Amino acid sequence: EVQLVQSGAEVKKPGESLKISCKGSGYSFTSYWIGWVRQMPGKGLEWMGIIYPGDSDTRYSPSFQGQVTISADKSISTAYLQWSSLKASDTAMYYCARRGPGEFGNYFDYWGQGTLVTVSS
Amino acid sequence: EIVLTQSPATLSLSPGERATLSCRASQSVSSYLAWYQQKPGQAPRLLIYDASNRATGIPARFSGSGSGTDFTLTISSLEPEDFAVYYCQQRSNWSWTFGQGTKVEIK
Repeated sequence: EVQLVQSGAEVKKPGESLKISCKGSGYSFTSYWIGWVRQMPGKGLEWMGIIYPGDSDTRYSPSFQGQVTISADKSISTAYLQWSSLKASDTAMYYCARRGPGEFGNYFDYWGQGTLVTVSS
Repeated sequence: EIVLTQSPATLSLSPGERATLSCRASQSVSSYLAWYQQKPGQAPRLLIYDASNRATGIPARFSGSGSGTDFTLTISSLEPEDFAVYYCQQRSNWSWTFGQGTKVEIK
């Protein structure tokens, strides 16, 4: 069974750093792209970026380039999303999602459960 | 960047009624469009891909149609578990974009 399991909710102060994780199982982690999607409170879905764990090829949405860093450790089948200096406006739910294979490559077929990040002084 | 515009923002219907949701792209996406369902407190779930193909395990009451810039998601007869927010999504080069969502609520 394909599963993406994300790390737990975080409460941070502005200016702090943070790294959240997404662990894949039930499939070949190095063979599928993993994307990150932001959902601000009460709002829609925004694609942030995507990584191929096999070689760490990474692409970012222009809206998030320079604001976050996406990485992966293929030895433990885990992708990461990190911030060096959080802002209150980073408060959101963050989802990881697997880019589908082949003909499904335009879509995200499996999603993590989400990680809620709250940034408040 | 291709912009997806969904309408209406909210659809108020009763169980058993037919729901018709629209998604319009700012430029042609051919048939490369998906629909997702998101229930409160849950992650999105892929319903429809390539405009008209149901994902694994999706009931037949869900159907998608369209190509180019205009797409429709139809739920033929709403079940209680179908009341949720629905998003369309496309990919162009290295950019994935979502519509702003349509909330299907109980009337």
